[in-house]
Amino acid sequence: DAGVIQSPRHEVTEMGQEVTLRCKPISGHNSLFWYRQTMMRGLELLIYFNNNVPIDDSGMPEDRFSAKMPNASFSTLKIQPSEPRDSAVYFCASTEQRNQPQHFGDGTRLSIL
Amino acid sequence: GNSVTQMEGPVTLSEEAFLTINCTYTATGYPSLFWYVQYPGEGLQLLLKATKADDKGSNKGFEATYRKETTSFHLEKGSVQVSDSAVYFCALGYSSASKIIFGSGTRLSIRP
Repeated sequence: DAGVIQSPRHEVTEMGQEVTLRCKPISGHNSLFWYRQTMMRGLELLIYFNNNVPIDDSGMPEDRFSAKMPNASFSTLKIQPSEPRDSAVYFCASTEQRNQPQHFGDGTRLSIL
Repeated sequence: GNSVTQMEGPVTLSEEAFLTINCTYTATGYPSLFWYVQYPGEGLQLLLKATKADDKGSNKGFEATYRKETTSFHLEKGSVQVSDSAVYFCALGYSSASKIIFGSGTRLSIRP
């Protein structure tokens, strides 16, 4: 079975540029989560979707961050404009129902210069 | 509210030592409990889970027992290997929402 697929695996860009991270959840999973991980702040939940609808975006740090899920097999996390403090590893995860484990992608390592 | 507290790291042990990483939780109702492992450069992987009181989750020599009376889910392994070096996360899931509450993670290093 294919797991959660994230792209790109690495992204290096200059401050002020737009960054788009992509995620394909496991087929049949109806919840999708975006996390950010840094040494300083650990693992943070940014936003999650149920059945393509955003449920909780309270973890999105600023208006520069936005996420969409246009269909059950695709989601994006966009940062515009990017700043050096956005440098982190961003993970996408999916699950098929409540109280079940989440399955994580391998992450996107983002560096903003 | 729901929360997870786990042992501060880093933890450094010699190969073949006994491992315990403590995890306690606060929750209403009957949550499921999980341990995840993150190897360097990778995402989190489910290590084991338990869905009700007194359940024991086990995988790859690791075990954890869901203790409702002490609200704990401590991770144990009888003999660790260098390949067990990773960050371990205790987590809690509950039936009223899809999201999982993660602990802060414990970094484990095993010396040969």
